[in-house]
Amino acid sequence: DTGVSQNPRHKITKRGQNVTFRCDPISEHNRLYWYRQTLGQGPEFLTYFQNEAQLEKSRLLSDRFSAERPKGSFSTLEIQRTEQGDSAMYLCASSSPMNEQFFGPGTRLTVL
Amino acid sequence: GQNIDQPTEMTATEGAIVQINCTYQTSGFNGLFWYQQHAGEAPTFLSYNVLDGLEEKGRFSSFLSRSKGYSYLLLKELQMKDSASYLCAVRDPGGGNYQLIWGAGTKLIIKP
Repeated sequence: DTGVSQNPRHKITKRGQNVTFRCDPISEHNRLYWYRQTLGQGPEFLTYFQNEAQLEKSRLLSDRFSAERPKGSFSTLEIQRTEQGDSAMYLCASSSPMNEQFFGPGTRLTVL
Repeated sequence: GQNIDQPTEMTATEGAIVQINCTYQTSGFNGLFWYQQHAGEAPTFLSYNVLDGLEEKGRFSSFLSRSKGYSYLLLKELQMKDSASYLCAVRDPGGGNYQLIWGAGTKLIIKP
C-alpha cells in the first residue's frame, strides 16, 4: 500500500501521561503535515515539515507538543502531560510541492 | 484575518443536485481545494481550482471566482454514499510555506 499510514489508530490514555503517534507518508512526498480535528470542525494546522526540516509550527500549539521527522521520511508527534482538551483526531498528510495533500486514517486520542 | 465560511449543514434528496458554497478572506491565494470526509474517516481530495471558472470531474464540479472570494462544489445525481462533510480549503502562500486554511466543513445529508 502506497498511501499515508498512521499508528496507532486509537489511543486511550490518562491525563498527565505522554503519548506518541507515528506517521509514514507517501514515499515520494517531501512535505508532511500534522493536523488536529475535533467534531464538526475542519482540520487545525499543527506543524509542517519539508524533508527533515520543521518549517512552521502553529502559534496555538503549546510547548507540550513536539514533532520530529529525523530522516525526512516518517514523523512522530509527541504530546507530553496530556490534558482532556487534547482529545481529538490527529491527522497526518503528505504532499509533493504545490500538489494536493493526501491524508492518513488518523489517530483518535481520548484522554480520560 | 483568515476566514473560510461554509454552511454548517445541508439536506438534499437522492438523485437531485446540490450546491455547497464557500467564501473566503485570506491574506493570499494560491488555489482552492475541496475535500470529502465521511464520518470517522480522513479527508479525501475532490477538486482543485486556481483559475476562475468551472472544473468538472464526473458527478462533481467546482467553480471559483477569485475576485469575489467565492467557490462552490456542485454534486449531481446524488447518491446515498455522498452523505459526508465537504471541506473547503484555501492555499495561502504567506511566508513561502503555502499552508491550507480550512473551513469547518458542510455536513451533507442525503435523503431517499
